[in-house]
Amino acid sequence: ETGVTQTPRHLVMGMTNKKSLKCEQHLGHNAMYWYKQSAKKPLELMFVYNFKEQTENNSVPSRFSPECPNSSHLFLHLHTLQPEDSALYLCASSQELAGSLYEQYFGPGTRLTVT
Amino acid sequence: GENVEQHPSTLSVQEGDSAVIKCTYSDSASNYFPWYKQELGKRPQLIIDIRSNVGEKKDQRIAVTLNKTAKHFSLHITETQPEDSAVYFCAASRRGGGNQFYFGTGTSLTVIP
Repeated sequence: ETGVTQTPRHLVMGMTNKKSLKCEQHLGHNAMYWYKQSAKKPLELMFVYNFKEQTENNSVPSRFSPECPNSSHLFLHLHTLQPEDSALYLCASSQELAGSLYEQYFGPGTRLTVT
Repeated sequence: GENVEQHPSTLSVQEGDSAVIKCTYSDSASNYFPWYKQELGKRPQLIIDIRSNVGEKKDQRIAVTLNKTAKHFSLHITETQPEDSAVYFCAASRRGGGNQFYFGTGTSLTVIP
């Protein structure tokens, strides 16, 4: 499969559950991102990984825990979520080359519902 | 950090008319400005981008203009078609900025047949 893939596509979880979202990019990129997209709100950047190292954490609550075992895979571990965390979670990847950034390729997203 | 503002938030045009969406940014070091289109229930996809060494770029019915002095850039869609209906996001990023992309709040474009 090509591009950026995400699993699962839909997830319903209770507030006491633990689940993980998975993202895989097949583009050879060196940067990966997690975004949260809520209804009628802009894309909210959550985490950035560059060459497997986390470079940004935009004040995200600790109930969201990212993991980047290699430059092709990115996980978002979820624990004790709140109903307001229900949203579309998008993964993206991009390439930084000689200091210049190139377009982000987005995955299809995971639609998360917290009950 | 960078702050990107996007206007309007909603835009309705008649089929065949032009649509213009504007964004401003605050960090003069920003040098890469992509535009994404997100159709309902789908992922955002790049439609056009521009770098700070260029003032204008065109791709068929889509064009982007950049004014570095005023720190604003605009998306122009000519001869709009119903399939252009979507949410459009602008973004800004810069070299050495920690790979961060700063997105605008989005414009919901509706093309009325």
